[in-house]
Amino acid sequence: SQQGEEDPQALSIQEGENATMNCSYKTSINNLQWYRQNSGRGLVHLILIRSNEREKHSGRLRVTLDTSKKSSSLLITASRAADTASYFCATDGGGKLIFGQGTELSVKP
Amino acid sequence: GAVVSQHPSWVICKSGTSVKIECRSLDFQATTMFWYRQFPKQSLMLMATSNEGSKATYEQGVEKDKFLINHASLTLSTLTVTSAHPEDSSFYICSAMGTVNQPQHFGDGTRLSIL
Repeated sequence: SQQGEEDPQALSIQEGENATMNCSYKTSINNLQWYRQNSGRGLVHLILIRSNEREKHSGRLRVTLDTSKKSSSLLITASRAADTASYFCATDGGGKLIFGQGTELSVKP
Repeated sequence: GAVVSQHPSWVICKSGTSVKIECRSLDFQATTMFWYRQFPKQSLMLMATSNEGSKATYEQGVEKDKFLINHASLTLSTLTVTSAHPEDSSFYICSAMGTVNQPQHFGDGTRLSIL
C-alpha cells in the first residue's frame, strides 16, 4: 500500500520560478528519498535525507524533513524546462521503499 | 555513479507467452534488488524484494507463481512473467541497492504489452 501523499498532484510553472512539492507519510522512517522520473523512463535518485536531519541541499534542490509532522518538502529553485518530470518521495523504513503518488511538474519555457 | 541496466526495454507478445526481464548492476554489487510495477500516471508498487542466493519476498497480493524472481548473483536478478495475459501489461522497473540505508538505483524499465 502507498504510504506517502504528495501535493500538489500537478504543478505548472514558468522557467525561472521555484517549484515546491510536499510529501506526507504515516509511519516512522530511517530516511526519506526524492526521485525524479521522466516519462516512460526509470527513476533517478535526487537526494536522501536521514531521519535525524532537518534540511539538505544539492545544487538547485533543497529538501526539508519534519519528523514530528511526518512531512517533507522538495524545493527546486530557478526551474528549467528540463526539470519537467514526475517527482516522487519515498520512505525507507527498513530497506523497502514506499512511494508517494508523485507530483507531475511542468516547466514552461 | 551506480548504473543499473534493465533489458529488454519493450516487449510485445501474445497471450500465454512467458517473458523474462533482466536487471543488472553494472558497476557495483547489489545485495538486494527490487521489482516494481507501475500503471500509467500512477506511482510505483513494490512487487517483491530479492536477495542474492535466497528466495524472493513477495508483497501481499503478488502471485509468486506468476512472477518468478531469481537473484543468482550479486549483479543479476531476473523477473519472469509466466503465461502472461493482457492484464499483466504494465511498466516493470527494477532497482538495486548495495547496502541498507543507501539509495536504490533504478533501471530504465520494461514496457510489457500482452496482446
